[in-house]
Amino acid sequence: EIVMTQSPATLSVSPGERATLSCRASQSVSSNLAWYQQKPGQAPRLLMYGASTRATGIPARFSGSGSGTEFTLTISSLQSEDFAVYYCQQYNIWPKYTFGQGTKLEIK
Amino acid sequence: EVQLVESGGGLVQPGRSLRLSCAASGFTFDDYAMHWVRQGPGRGLEWVSGISWNDVIIGYADSVKGRFTISRDNAKNSLYLQMNSLRAEDTALYYCAKDNGHTSNWEGVFDYWGQGTVVTVSS
Repeated sequence: EIVMTQSPATLSVSPGERATLSCRASQSVSSNLAWYQQKPGQAPRLLMYGASTRATGIPARFSGSGSGTEFTLTISSLQSEDFAVYYCQQYNIWPKYTFGQGTKLEIK
Repeated sequence: EVQLVESGGGLVQPGRSLRLSCAASGFTFDDYAMHWVRQGPGRGLEWVSGISWNDVIIGYADSVKGRFTISRDNAKNSLYLQMNSLRAEDTALYYCAKDNGHTSNWEGVFDYWGQGTVVTVSS
């Protein structure tokens, strides 16, 4: 099983600042990496797939990068609605899709 | 507007069975693979099972293989998860999710999710 490790577990950032979230895979997943945002009481929302392709309706302040085992989600200027938990997910190996444990982005 | 509405969750004793359903609307259901993803209390996300648009490709997480069965009825725009031999560790919020890829190009990316149905396994 491919283990996805996200860091940090909690990230405290002020509104308007940049946030950088990391995701590491225990083996290469090529660019088969997605990011999701989850707010309390809500279902996850797809942000990014293919490591760097924004999903429909996702603002340009969200960007993704990386390939192989190291990936980054960057939010360029944090808005109040961006504070949430973020999960990465690899879909390189069928049927062994796995998620990271999540990074909680909180207001500093 | 894509809508996925799960139902069938509840409280069940260990070893018993439960069948979850997901009613889909707002897209051509039989053009897309579908998945079940669960989230244990206070925990992260775990992919459970997926099924291709035509039932040909089906997969399960190791944690549920041999106990859970996924199926779909394209005529009814519905997805199902038959859960047998339930364990305490199966307690979770179960989400139905649509695959981002079209027909044979399914991706394993989940672009729409339902609100989930809660399954609690306890004596």
